[in-house]
Amino acid sequence: ETGVTQSPTHLIKTRGQQVTLRCSSQSGHNTVSWYQQALGQGPQFIFQYYREEENGRGNFPPRFSGLQFPNYSSELNVNALELDDSALYLCASSAGQVSNSPLHFGNGTRLTVT
Amino acid sequence: GESVGLHLPTLSVQEGDNSIINCAYSNSASDYFIWYKQESGKGPQFIIDIRSNMDKRQGQRVTVLLNKTVKHLSLQIAATQPGDSAVYFCAENFALNAGNMLTFGGGTRLMVKP
Repeated sequence: ETGVTQSPTHLIKTRGQQVTLRCSSQSGHNTVSWYQQALGQGPQFIFQYYREEENGRGNFPPRFSGLQFPNYSSELNVNALELDDSALYLCASSAGQVSNSPLHFGNGTRLTVT
Repeated sequence: GESVGLHLPTLSVQEGDNSIINCAYSNSASDYFIWYKQESGKGPQFIIDIRSNMDKRQGQRVTVLLNKTVKHLSLQIAATQPGDSAVYFCAENFALNAGNMLTFGGGTRLMVKP
């Protein structure tokens, strides 16, 4: 069984640029969620995708957007990068959108904005 | 807003002793709770979960206790090993949310002394 994989592992961008992060779900999982984890803090929910549609969003501005593809892989796009966007971005997948299915996380993409 | 929090930011235990990590949650509507372990450079790893209709659940060397009266969650690790050293997060899922939109606490760092 293949776990959640994310790419790239590390990324450095300049303020104002745009970035795309990628995620492949764990085999058999059709729901993907994205979280932002600042250094020394717990992950914060960005949004979730189910059947290629966003079905929940946290307190993040519209410049954070995403996609889910028919094979359940996903992208997180961030436009107009700000210094505070520097964080570990985690992708998680689960089997369906039932609220009692545990999320399984990838190892994240470490984004640094300079 | 309501959030999950932790009482002890750092816990140091002797190898072989039992560890107890505590967590307070504030949303009485939360119906599902998960403990995650996060090692340096990795994403959160699922340890154990519990639903609100239970007060105890056991896994391999781990036990989660849920006290809904005082909104308290704890993770007990038996015979703590050096490999248990990591940051532990509790997370709650609100019953009103669709899907798995978790709110995480700030984490407790567990340090195991040989």
